[in-house]
Amino acid sequence: DQQVKQNSPSLSVQEGRISILNCDYTNSMFDYFLWYKKYPAEGPTFLISISSIKDKNEDGRFTVFLNKSAKHLSLHIVPSQPGDSAVYFCAASAPGSGTYKYIFGTGTRLKVLA
Amino acid sequence: ETGVTQSPTHLIKTRGQQVTLRCSSQSGHNTVSWYQQALGQGPQFIFQYYREEENGRGNFPPRFSGLQFPNYSSELNVNALELDDSALYLCASSLEVGTYTEAFFGQGTRLTVV
Repeated sequence: DQQVKQNSPSLSVQEGRISILNCDYTNSMFDYFLWYKKYPAEGPTFLISISSIKDKNEDGRFTVFLNKSAKHLSLHIVPSQPGDSAVYFCAASAPGSGTYKYIFGTGTRLKVLA
Repeated sequence: ETGVTQSPTHLIKTRGQQVTLRCSSQSGHNTVSWYQQALGQGPQFIFQYYREEENGRGNFPPRFSGLQFPNYSSELNVNALELDDSALYLCASSLEVGTYTEAFFGQGTRLTVV
């Protein structure tokens, strides 16, 4: 049972354009969401997070949008740069459950073309 | 401030053997979680330790066990290795359990079981 889904395994975008990565979830108890970026041979690096009391959070070129009614979140990267090429994972958590664990999606490989 | 470090980075073991993986948490972090990332998948939660006590476990058999030490470093032990245990094992530390904060990951240990 995949509670967090990233339905696009890969995405290619031209440098300077917007990258939009999508994530869907099924568990309505999730109330904290995160995006991580992963380069080959490295661990995941935290990018940005959002709690369920918000519908948008921005940090520089990265913006995360949360649509609770649709159980959908998206990561926007504007403008996209070649160094953004990596695998992006969304993760969800239900901290109130007592165990602070993340449920990850399967990832989307972003390729930014110069 | 030092980040999360894991050792070794790569390991090859034979089916049936036992393995111990190590993790030093980020300075000041008292919570450590372990994840298994199989090829093409997102990280899967194994278990979490908070102040030397197990604080939740994912869907992994008892041959996966762990420890957390007074300095908050941690070990993951896997007994009776199986071929399907081949994966990237990730350690993540966070400041507290049950709060809306991100976890920081180490670079991982790539385990190959032959």
